[in-house]
Amino acid sequence: EVQLVESGGGLVQPGRSLRLSCAASGFTFDDYAMHWVRQVPGKGLEWVSTISWNSGTKGYADSVKGRFTISRDNAKNSLYLQMNSLRDEDTALYYCVKDGSRTWRDWYFDLWGRGTLVTVSS
Amino acid sequence: EIVMTQSPATLSVSPGQRATLSCRASQSVGTYLAWYQQKPGQAPRLLIYGASTRATGISARFSGSGSGTEFTLTISSLQSEDFAVYYCQQYDSWPLTFGGGTKVEIK
Repeated sequence: EVQLVESGGGLVQPGRSLRLSCAASGFTFDDYAMHWVRQVPGKGLEWVSTISWNSGTKGYADSVKGRFTISRDNAKNSLYLQMNSLRDEDTALYYCVKDGSRTWRDWYFDLWGRGTLVTVSS
Repeated sequence: EIVMTQSPATLSVSPGQRATLSCRASQSVGTYLAWYQQKPGQAPRLLIYGASTRATGISARFSGSGSGTEFTLTISSLQSEDFAVYYCQQYDSWPLTFGGGTKVEIK
């Protein structure tokens, strides 16, 4: 079955760290760029980060640049998001998302996980 | 940053009628435009990419059009399962950005 399963979310205090993981299955993981997208419950979607198939290129939203680090392990079919110096405004449901194309330039999202909830609060 | 603006915020439509959703980009994105559907408690689902190409398994009721800065998602003959929130997303440049969404509700 083609799927993405996130884990690692939870309640964390401001300033602390959290690492999200995403397990991919059912497709050739290292053929595709991967992404993290977040959503505050009841609100809209916000792109967080993208990583190319070989980890050679990474991109971040300004709101997380310098605090979050995306990585992947193609041998384990896994995607990660290391989140440091967490803020209240990072509270959201974090989705692991597969790129829709093998072409690096086409950054649309054709497979989404169910998300993992991160709550930043003291 | 390219700002994506969707209108209207809410669209009330009767089952069987047509729905027309708009998405405007603050600068040209060519045809690097995708549409997603999100139902309560679910992850978004890709409907359209390349402004007008339906994703795998998407009903022909859904069609996308436009280029540059003006885009439209049309849902012909709305079915009960089509009532949801719809988002557009540009992927012409980073940061990738989404519109604020259009909620299609039952009239």
